[in-house]
Amino acid sequence: QKEVEQDPGPLSVPEGAIVSLNCTYSNSAFQYFMWYRQYSRKGPELLMYTYSSGNKEDGRFTAQVDKSSKYISLFIRDSQPSDSATYLCAMSVPTGNQFYFGTGTSLTVIP
Amino acid sequence: GAVVSQHPSWVICKSGTSVKIECRSLDFQATTMFWYRQFPKQSLMLMATSNEGSKATYEQGVEKDKFLINHASLTLSTLTVTSAHPEDSSFYICSARVTGRDYGYTFGSGTRLTVV
Repeated sequence: QKEVEQDPGPLSVPEGAIVSLNCTYSNSAFQYFMWYRQYSRKGPELLMYTYSSGNKEDGRFTAQVDKSSKYISLFIRDSQPSDSATYLCAMSVPTGNQFYFGTGTSLTVIP
Repeated sequence: GAVVSQHPSWVICKSGTSVKIECRSLDFQATTMFWYRQFPKQSLMLMATSNEGSKATYEQGVEKDKFLINHASLTLSTLTVTSAHPEDSSFYICSARVTGRDYGYTFGSGTRLTVV
C-alpha cells in the first residue's frame, strides 16, 4: 500500500465551479499536510500547509484535514482557467524532512 | 523571497555522457537540499538529501555512484547524472527548506533530462 493515495484525474470543470481534490494516507504519524500546485514543466509551488487536523482558508482555497479518517482535501472556489495545473498533496511526520507525495491530480478549468 | 534557481531547465544528452544539474538558493542559506525525480503522471520520489559540507544521504534503490551529489556551499547543491542512459530520462527537481518559515520548503523549477 502506498503511503499517500491521490486520484490522478484528469479533472475538467467549467470556470466558476467549486473543485474538490482529495488524498488519503495510511501513516497515522503524519502531522504536516501540504498542497502544491505544479504547472507543466515547472517545479511545485506551495499553496497551503496545515498542521494536524482542521481547516485552513486562504482566498479561494480551503484545506481540510481529517486525521480520524486519514483524509485531506483541497477546495477551490470560483475556479479560474489559471488554476489549471496538477495539484499534489504531500505530508510528513514532525521529526523528519522527507515528504510523501501523492501522484498529483491534473485539473483543467474550461473558460 | 526564498527562491531556488535550478539550471538547466532542460537538457538533451547522448548515452554514456554525464550531466550536471545545479540548484542555488538565491536569497537564503540552504543547509539541506533535497533531490527528487518525477516520471510522467507519477509522484515526486525523493532520491537523496544533501547537507552542506557532508556526504549526501541516498534513498534505498538510488545508485550513489550514478547520481553524484555535491553540496559544497550553503547556496549551491549539484546533482551529476553519470554515464546517463535513456532510462535516466526524467524530470529532476531540487528543494530546500527556508529557515524560519513553518514548513516553507521551496522547489526549483525542475530540469527535464532526455538521454538519447
